Amino acid sequence: AQSVTQLDSHVSVSEGTPVLLRCNYSSSYSPSLFWYVQHPNKGLQLLLKYTSAATLVKGINGFEAEFKKSETSFHLTKPSAHMSDAAEYFCVVSDYGGSQGNLIFGKGTKLSVKP
Amino acid sequence: ETGVTQTPRHLVMGMTNKKSLKCEQHLGHNAMYWYKQSAKKPLELMFVYNFKEQTENNSVPSRFSPECPNSSHLFLHLHTLQPEDSALYLCASSQGGQRVDEQYFGPGTRLTVT
Repeated sequence: AQSVTQLDSHVSVSEGTPVLLRCNYSSSYSPSLFWYVQHPNKGLQLLLKYTSAATLVKGINGFEAEFKKSETSFHLTKPSAHMSDAAEYFCVVSDYGGSQGNLIFGKGTKLSVKP
Repeated sequence: ETGVTQTPRHLVMGMTNKKSLKCEQHLGHNAMYWYKQSAKKPLELMFVYNFKEQTENNSVPSRFSPECPNSSHLFLHLHTLQPEDSALYLCASSQGGQRVDEQYFGPGTRLTVT
């Protein structure tokens, strides 16, 4: 069965410093992987997705993630944090074991950005 | 805006009330989803509709009743809810079919059951 683990429930960084949000996945198949962001009182917005093309995926707002099969990881990074990046981030894996088209969400990592 | 709208944005209801949540997508998608987001819990998939057919019901209590009259609209009918049903209810849509595509989310309805 597919699963995803976000290793940190809360990450705090200073503005202008790098961001690293960690995600490990488990999948019996070649997975599709996604990162979503949720700002307070808003829905989820797609940041980026990996679907077996390039292993380094660039997303919106300067975020990127690298798919590492050997480590079963899909960590999200950004070189320089901005105050507007403060939000909750969800790592997501496609559920090929269940109904086609379903996604499995991690528990989320809350990112705080200090001035 | 993602092309998925939800109404109302906020809803307070008593345990004996009947209300409905509405979702509409303007993306030409064929699959629609209801999720429940509670504090400190992972996002819970409730229902999936693919080409207007319900393909998933994740052991959701019968006090939640979905309806999908066409590929653009999705409703969640609520009756005799419990306080633990208070949560953010998110609607999403995707291309549908046998593909595993990204989903596009609406802003959610914040439901409070008193």
